[in-house]
Amino acid sequence: SQWGEENLQALSIQEGEDVTMNCSYKTYTTVVQWYRQKSGKGPAQLILIRSNEREKRSGRLRATLDTSSQSSSLSITGTLATDTAVYFCDATSSGQKLVFGQGTILKVYL
Amino acid sequence: NAGVIQTPRHKVTGKGQEATLWCEPISGHSAVFWYRQTIVQGLEFLTYFRNQAPIDDSGMPKERFSAQMPNQSHSTLKIQSTQPQDSAVYLCASSLVRDNYEQYFGPGTRLTVL
Repeated sequence: SQWGEENLQALSIQEGEDVTMNCSYKTYTTVVQWYRQKSGKGPAQLILIRSNEREKRSGRLRATLDTSSQSSSLSITGTLATDTAVYFCDATSSGQKLVFGQGTILKVYL
Repeated sequence: NAGVIQTPRHKVTGKGQEATLWCEPISGHSAVFWYRQTIVQGLEFLTYFRNQAPIDDSGMPKERFSAQMPNQSHSTLKIQSTQPQDSAVYLCASSLVRDNYEQYFGPGTRLTVL
């Protein structure tokens, strides 16, 4: 899992497998965002989940949010090689600076 | 929509030289953020403009870094007397202001200080 103060985590899986990555955050939030950053690109938002949603789906992505434990997860089903990237979560407020942890490096090999 | 544009994509400077990085936000976005990203430190916030006004520069190293947003179509980040520790990817992001969380990032400028 990732957190602002945790070390970078790396996962290596085969294409077609499912993967789940976790994130913990420190302060109260009403929203958790997940971003993905591919090599040579800036981060791009994947999914946003609000505190009144326990689960949010978008295509092959599924995000969960547990406000009681201040944690969120992102699952990708049927991974593709193109999912290879670094994944970050953010739990800051609207219009404020993003605060990413070190992220989860995901490598999906053929 | 071309997205957030950053120029140059790569810049190499000698120690002590000046570097100016440019960012063109997405048209209609009123918030502009600058971040610095390194392997060791991860993503670090530098500064934030809303409607061209500086709102938060708490992440800016005070002595050599400055940022401006002279109009709604571009922002600049200037680093004077660059040092090797300034080497990083500098990312610009823009967003809508009102009740919006998503930030749209440019591809970044990779600054290398020799």
